[in-house]
Amino acid sequence: GQQVMQIPQYQHVQEGEDFTTYCNSSTTLSNIQWYKQRPGGHPVFLIQLVKSGEVKKQKILTFQFGEAKKNSSLHITATQTTDVGTYFCAGNNAGNMLTFGGGTRLMVKP
Amino acid sequence: DAGITQSPRHKVTETGTPVTLRCHQTENHRYMYWYRQDPGHGLRLIHYSYGVKDTDKGEVSDGYSVSRSKTEDFLLTLESATSSQTSVYFCAITATGTNSPLHFGNGTRLTVT
Repeated sequence: GQQVMQIPQYQHVQEGEDFTTYCNSSTTLSNIQWYKQRPGGHPVFLIQLVKSGEVKKQKILTFQFGEAKKNSSLHITATQTTDVGTYFCAGNNAGNMLTFGGGTRLMVKP
Repeated sequence: DAGITQSPRHKVTETGTPVTLRCHQTENHRYMYWYRQDPGHGLRLIHYSYGVKDTDKGEVSDGYSVSRSKTEDFLLTLESATSSQTSVYFCAITATGTNSPLHFGNGTRLTVT
């Protein structure tokens, strides 16, 4: 079945440093979604990418969808302590349920 | 946040007992989902519903059953709880299926002793 791998599993950064998490699928995806979960909270939708090679920005967050639609990344420029949490990617191919990656837990040292 | 309420928020139960978790939504969304979250595994789909009395299995459905008698309520039942079912359970809803964003409830932390 479809598998979605996410790396790294954990990342410690100093406040102000950049952060990137990578998502790789075993199959071509029709779309990919990104979620953020604060400690003790629930996942919250951030963005959806649909087109091959698509790049979207939300303030300091940059999201990319690979040309082959099998990988994606989330990049945070100059992290802040408010960025702590776990970031999940989730992808599906047409008609199937979303498959979530294992998440990347971001910790930011002030 | 979308109007999704999960109950209870926390539950401790003994092995072998039945447990029912409830998800209630006020958004009138057609699709409802139950996920479990465990360290290192992300979120895994247990069961989902695409309408009243229409349900289907997800990737980790063994040991779980669901029911949806009304649009707003989706129940998850563990017929005989096991320690491997200790987890955080999230309910989610969408209006038009998984090509649209999931909106999650606050979760239920279940401990099976």
